[in-house]
Amino acid sequence: GQNIDQPTEMTATEGAIVQINCTYQTSGFNGLFWYQQHAGEAPTFLSYNVLDGLEEKGRFSSFLSRSKGYSYLLLKELQMKDSASYLCAVRDVSGGSYIPTFGRGTSLIVHP
Amino acid sequence: GAGVSQSPSNKVTEKGKDVELRCDPISGHTALYWYRQSLGQGLEFLIYFQGNSAPDKSGLPSDRFSAERTGGSVSTLTIQRTQQEDSAVYLCASSLPPDRGGQETQYFGPGTRLLVL
Repeated sequence: GQNIDQPTEMTATEGAIVQINCTYQTSGFNGLFWYQQHAGEAPTFLSYNVLDGLEEKGRFSSFLSRSKGYSYLLLKELQMKDSASYLCAVRDVSGGSYIPTFGRGTSLIVHP
Repeated sequence: GAGVSQSPSNKVTEKGKDVELRCDPISGHTALYWYRQSLGQGLEFLIYFQGNSAPDKSGLPSDRFSAERTGGSVSTLTIQRTQQEDSAVYLCASSLPPDRGGQETQYFGPGTRLLVL
């Protein structure tokens, strides 16, 4: 398995910055995804990292360090609508499968 | 349609009954995935279809679960003799073929909320 680990819950204040970490263990790393899932809704794609470094997309950025088995999702200028669960998913092709494995998700609560 | 659709959106059934859940993927997406999400849990992989290849059934929790994909498009997940522990949200996703080493983002449907009484 990929042993994906994320914090269960985080809280932050509107307008602030929050960093959600994800650690994983793989023998055939082939990409890491971040998804956002609002309560009662389907996950929606946020970002994809396969090479080391930072990918920036508006208020959201995602970072990857393959040597450390570590990624984070950075959310800036937090808004109330950012309250959601954030899912980290890792693709490990060592077993011949390209199916991403999802972590349990981090529930982010943004308060005024 | 523009996105992945699933039906029914909600299903309440009695223990021991069979249920069928349907997924319509995005047109042109040859890869289709079924996941299960229980309250407070991550997405649990169930089964994966890619084109005409044999499906990857490695995630199915028991032989009461089966799925088929007709004509490379619509998929049906069947749960026979449902148990209370089958209660969960069943999510379907589709993507372009994920074996090209690229992004191949999964697009999820709204899910079917199954409650077994």
